[in-house]
Amino acid sequence: NAGVMQNPRHLVRRRGQEARLRCSPMKGHSHVYWYRQLPEEGLKFMVYLQKENIIDESGMPKERFSAEFPKEGPSILRIQQVVRGDSAAYFCASSPAGADNHGYTFGSGTRLTVV
Amino acid sequence: GDSVTQMEGPVTLSEEAFLTINCTYTATGYPSLFWYVQYPGEGLQLLLKATKADDKGSNKGFEATYRKETTSFHLEKGSVQVSDSAVYFCALSDRGGSTLGRLYFGRGTQLTVWP
Repeated sequence: NAGVMQNPRHLVRRRGQEARLRCSPMKGHSHVYWYRQLPEEGLKFMVYLQKENIIDESGMPKERFSAEFPKEGPSILRIQQVVRGDSAAYFCASSPAGADNHGYTFGSGTRLTVV
Repeated sequence: GDSVTQMEGPVTLSEEAFLTINCTYTATGYPSLFWYVQYPGEGLQLLLKATKADDKGSNKGFEATYRKETTSFHLEKGSVQVSDSAVYFCALSDRGGSTLGRLYFGRGTQLTVWP
């Protein structure tokens, strides 16, 4: 049973380009979360999705960032017109239900570098 | 709002030394508490958890007790090993709050163990 799969592991983008980060949750998990980790900091919540629904996007920047979790296929975090400040590690996590009692299973992350 | 305050690092210890990493929290509801560990270049792994007051989570020689009276969840290990070198994150999920499904993380504590 594969864990949470994220790709790519490393992504380099020039300023102004688009970044697309993919996350396939563990089998049987219907809840997906995206977190961002800036250097020397803890993880900050971005968005919580279930299949075809955004449950909580209160941690997403208002512009340039979007997320989806379609009925088929992985969850996608999309960053348009990237800037240097978007450089960070982006982690996806999944759970079979809300994380209240279970915690999550995390992927290995996508490390985005904007040059 | 919900938050986690974690002892700042880095922490450097000799092998077989005793480890304590302090963690205190603020929550509006009834939080579950977690410790995650992150090895270099990898995602976060759940180390242990506790879901109600006075519960003790334990795993791989690490322990933490959910103390409601002091709102704390300190991580301890009696004898650390070189392989314990990693970043440790304290986190909470607030079941009674409005942010069900979200984890709040501390900033992380870097532990380095020397042989």
